[in-house]
Amino acid sequence: AQSVSQHNHHVILSEAASLELGCNYSYGGTVNLFWYVQYPGQHLQLLLKYFSGDPLVKGIKGFEAEFIKSKFSFNLRKPSVQWSDTAEYFCAVYETGRRALTFGSGTRLQVQP
Amino acid sequence: DAGITQSPRHKVTETGTPVTLRCHQTENHRYMYWYRQDPGHGLRLIHYSYGVKDTDKGEVSDGYSVSRSKTEDFLLTLESATSSQTSVYFCAISEQGGDSNQPQHFGDGTRLSIL
Repeated sequence: AQSVSQHNHHVILSEAASLELGCNYSYGGTVNLFWYVQYPGQHLQLLLKYFSGDPLVKGIKGFEAEFIKSKFSFNLRKPSVQWSDTAEYFCAVYETGRRALTFGSGTRLQVQP
Repeated sequence: DAGITQSPRHKVTETGTPVTLRCHQTENHRYMYWYRQDPGHGLRLIHYSYGVKDTDKGEVSDGYSVSRSKTEDFLLTLESATSSQTSVYFCAISEQGGDSNQPQHFGDGTRLSIL
């Protein structure tokens, strides 16, 4: 079965620091990849998605992610975080033949002013 | 935001009682999903639906049942609630399912506490 690993469970950064959150998945076939963000007390919102083409994907609020097929990875990055980026971030994968997403366990990001 | 309404938003109930959560959408999307969110586990799929009266189990379906009699409504039922089902439940919808670049859109969640 598909699994999605987010190795950083809790990340604390100061404002203006650079961010990279790891995401690795186990499926070797064709996948569609997503990053979602959940601000405190809110529902999940889509940050960005990858399904084909340029492996460097740009999303909302200055986030980007790079798909590296050989490493089964889809890491999320932001050059300079803001206090408002404090949230939980989830990586999710669609694998061929399944009808639903598989989510990672999430990374809680805390940005200190 | 996608037109997804979950009800109730909060519920406290006792072990052994039946509980039904409702997800209503106004987007006419084919796929609907129920997830539970627990610390350290992310979101885990309970059940999903790929059309009216068409449903399938997810990874944590034991103790839960679902029904979809109309495109817009997807009900999640706990026949006899247990304390392990205390969680935050999210409904999601999408135009297409797997093999798709269409994202899922999420509701605001239902916080369920079972005492």
